[in-house]
Amino acid sequence: DSGVTQTPKHLITATGQRVTLRCSPRSGDLSVYWYQQSLDQGLQFLIQYYNGEERAKGNILERFSAQQFPDLHSELNLSSLELGDSALYFCASSREGLNQPQHFGDGTRLSIL
Amino acid sequence: GENVEQHPSTLSVQEGDSAVIKCTYSDSASNYFPWYKQELGKRPQLIIDIRSNVGEKKDQRIAVTLNKTAKHFSLHITETQPEDSAVYFCAVKAAGNKLTFGGGTRVLVKP
Repeated sequence: DSGVTQTPKHLITATGQRVTLRCSPRSGDLSVYWYQQSLDQGLQFLIQYYNGEERAKGNILERFSAQQFPDLHSELNLSSLELGDSALYFCASSREGLNQPQHFGDGTRLSIL
Repeated sequence: GENVEQHPSTLSVQEGDSAVIKCTYSDSASNYFPWYKQELGKRPQLIIDIRSNVGEKKDQRIAVTLNKTAKHFSLHITETQPEDSAVYFCAVKAAGNKLTFGGGTRVLVKP
């Protein structure tokens, strides 16, 4: 158990819909990272939040957005869903400081029908 | 941006033999190099990491070597066991905290 909690474990929805994925970081971790893992793209960094503020952005689509709340949990919002958005979405968290290891949650499997 | 290439994409070894996976990167400012193991349907698990001021790090049967001049680093697994079968990912961090992952290596350890 990494200490990073993601809900829900599975989500099945239809094209055009909107979903919210939730992540609670390990106790004491201020940074939260979101990654997308699909079969043909590997692990792709989406976005990072540190203590409530956006810190770094990767290949995140405009249809996707995220935020980190005062209690440090984070949500990833995916809207106008397309078939290609089907993937595993992982959240990771790390301590403050240079080159701190990132620990991953168990992921949310999103299936678009 | 950073580009990370990982080889081989698949690796089959006999139990007890060694496995070596190599990654190359493009950004000379990269300073942190973790390796993750991912079993089927599970989360990536950090197994070892190395920072740019160190050339080699060992943890039991696992070691990582880093060549900053050549911009490559490798994962070495000795005395492989069936439970080492998984997908292994290297990653690289340059400026900021963004990790760029390699494409993964599927390792199969045959009993």
